[in-house]
Amino acid sequence: DVKVTQSSRYLVKRTGEKVFLECVQDMDHENMFWYRQDPGLGLRLIYFSYDVKMKEKGDIPEGYSVSREKKERFSLILESASTNQTSMYLCASSPGGGYGYTFGSGTRLTVV
Amino acid sequence: KQEVTQIPAALSVPEGENLVLNCSFTDSAIYNLQWFRQDPGKGLTSLLLIQSSQREQTSGRLNASLDKSSGRSTLYIAASQPGDSATYLCAVRRSNDYKLSFGAGTTVTVRA
Repeated sequence: DVKVTQSSRYLVKRTGEKVFLECVQDMDHENMFWYRQDPGLGLRLIYFSYDVKMKEKGDIPEGYSVSREKKERFSLILESASTNQTSMYLCASSPGGGYGYTFGSGTRLTVV
Repeated sequence: KQEVTQIPAALSVPEGENLVLNCSFTDSAIYNLQWFRQDPGKGLTSLLLIQSSQREQTSGRLNASLDKSSGRSTLYIAASQPGDSATYLCAVRRSNDYKLSFGAGTTVTVRA
């Protein structure tokens, strides 16, 4: 089975800190995605990557950046964390074509 | 823009009853549709993936149907168990697009 691993289950960071969320997949998938999930707002796409060093903005990219230097790893970066970035962050990967997505277990980030 | 709606938002049934969860989408030009399960505070687990050319998919007690022309999918869970209690999310991938559009989910409670 494909495994998508998010490095932290829970994180607490201070306002203004630079935050890195890491995601690793083990099945050579082309596409990787970062979503955030908030009550009442559902899942919203932040960024996605369809190849190494390639990225595209999703629906809510403001305040975030991403890095994909290796195929298996996709990092989400909060340049200067703010309290409105407190959320559940979900990483996913997909091989493309007609295949579905596989999600990681999520990172609950709290910014204080 | 693809809009995905799931009705009802919440459902409570006694153990043993069959579950029927509905998903509707506005743009019928889809590539595939995926049903996920999410337990509180956890990531998404893929249940079933239906390609646009398929009418249904089955896995154990789960059966998902797709009527692309009317913009509807239904997830049936037979003989529900307390362990089926979770939030079920429907996600649609449009043709020529990497991204998924998610519904808000249906939260299911199965009472013992």
